[in-house]
Amino acid sequence: AQSVSQHNHHVILSEAASLELGCNYSYGGTVNLFWYVQYPGQHLQLLLKYFSGDPLVKGIKGFEAEFIKSKFSFNLRKPSVQWSDTAEYFCAVKIWGSQGNLIFGKGTKLSVKP
Amino acid sequence: NAGVMQNPRHLVRRRGQEARLRCSPMKGHSHVYWYRQLPEEGLKFMVYLQKENIIDESGMPKERFSAEFPKEGPSILRIQQVVRGDSAAYFCASSPTGDSYEQYFGPGTRLTVT
Repeated sequence: AQSVSQHNHHVILSEAASLELGCNYSYGGTVNLFWYVQYPGQHLQLLLKYFSGDPLVKGIKGFEAEFIKSKFSFNLRKPSVQWSDTAEYFCAVKIWGSQGNLIFGKGTKLSVKP
Repeated sequence: NAGVMQNPRHLVRRRGQEARLRCSPMKGHSHVYWYRQLPEEGLKFMVYLQKENIIDESGMPKERFSAEFPKEGPSILRIQQVVRGDSAAYFCASSPTGDSYEQYFGPGTRLTVT
């Protein structure tokens, strides 16, 4: 069965530190890739998405992610985090041509210390 | 344009009672997805519906759970004879088409079974 792995369960950073959250998926065909963020007490919001083309995708709030097909990875990055980035981050995959449901990783909690 | 609406936001049920969770998709969206998030887990797909049709229910438990999306009104996720293990956050998402690239999530319903 297809799956999505997020390597870090909880990441703690100080403000201005750089961030990289890992995401790997297990499927050899074409996929659409997403990063969602869930701020405390709020619903999931889309940070960025990859469908095709340039493997380096820019999202909202200074986030970006790079799709590396050979590594089945879609890591999320931000050069300098802020306290307001404290949230849970979910990587998700949609199998191209599938019925439509997303396959989510377990999430990574990011805590940014002011 | 209102987002995806879910109600109630919090629901407490005693073991053996029924739980009904409602989801109103975004305006213009006719595809609805239900996901469940257990503690310390990512979101797991449950069911995908269009108006009056269940497209994919591969993630639904075989017993006690049912879902509908009638021609008029919200989508309903129904859990009969709830047990403690049903305690979770239930998220609804909607999209304009079935192969749409993006799903928009509601705020979720947190179900607690006592």
